[in-house]
Amino acid sequence: AQSVAQPEDQVNVAEGNPLTVKCTYSVSGNPYLFWYVQYPNRGLQFLLKYITGDNLVKGSYGFEAEFNKSQTSFHLKKPSALVSDSALYFCAVRHYGGSQGNLIFGKGTKLSVKP
Amino acid sequence: NAGVMQNPRHLVRRRGQEARLRCSPMKGHSHVYWYRQLPEEGLKFMVYLQKENIIDESGMPKERFSAEFPKEGPSILRIQQVVRGDSAAYFCASSPLLTETPSGANVLTFGAGSRLTVL
Repeated sequence: AQSVAQPEDQVNVAEGNPLTVKCTYSVSGNPYLFWYVQYPNRGLQFLLKYITGDNLVKGSYGFEAEFNKSQTSFHLKKPSALVSDSALYFCAVRHYGGSQGNLIFGKGTKLSVKP
Repeated sequence: NAGVMQNPRHLVRRRGQEARLRCSPMKGHSHVYWYRQLPEEGLKFMVYLQKENIIDESGMPKERFSAEFPKEGPSILRIQQVVRGDSAAYFCASSPLLTETPSGANVLTFGAGSRLTVL
């Protein structure tokens, strides 16, 4: 079965430190991978995507993610965390064989950045 | 340029009543998607629609749930005879017309969601 796993329910980071939010996936075929962020009482906002090409993808707000095919991972990273980065982060993969917009989401990781 | 607009933001229904959730896509977007988020869970795909056409309803429960996207007006997600297990946040997303190429892989724009509570 196709799936996305975010092994950490919560990640705590001090402001200014690097952050990593982990994501692994299981999907048939070449994966289309996405990261979205959700702030309280808001919809999900797109951060970045990997379709093809360079394994390191740069996105909004200074975030980047590295696609690792051998480890089937797509971890989200940022060199220096901000308190305003505190939110819920979702990794997603397009359902292989499904229609466009049919994404499989992980359960989310709550990122807490302390001053 | 308004984003994806959903209403109502909060809806309370008693068991057995009907719930109607509305979604107006972003200007210029012709594709609408509905997702459901249960407590402590990620989003689950429900249905994908274009104007007057259901493209993919593989995630829709077989009974009580229906969706439409008429030629004029917003997309509607309708839940008949609601039960407590329907309590969730329902998110609508939209995207423009995309070709089936890697560069066209869709990026969804989400609304703020409609939170349904069934008493």
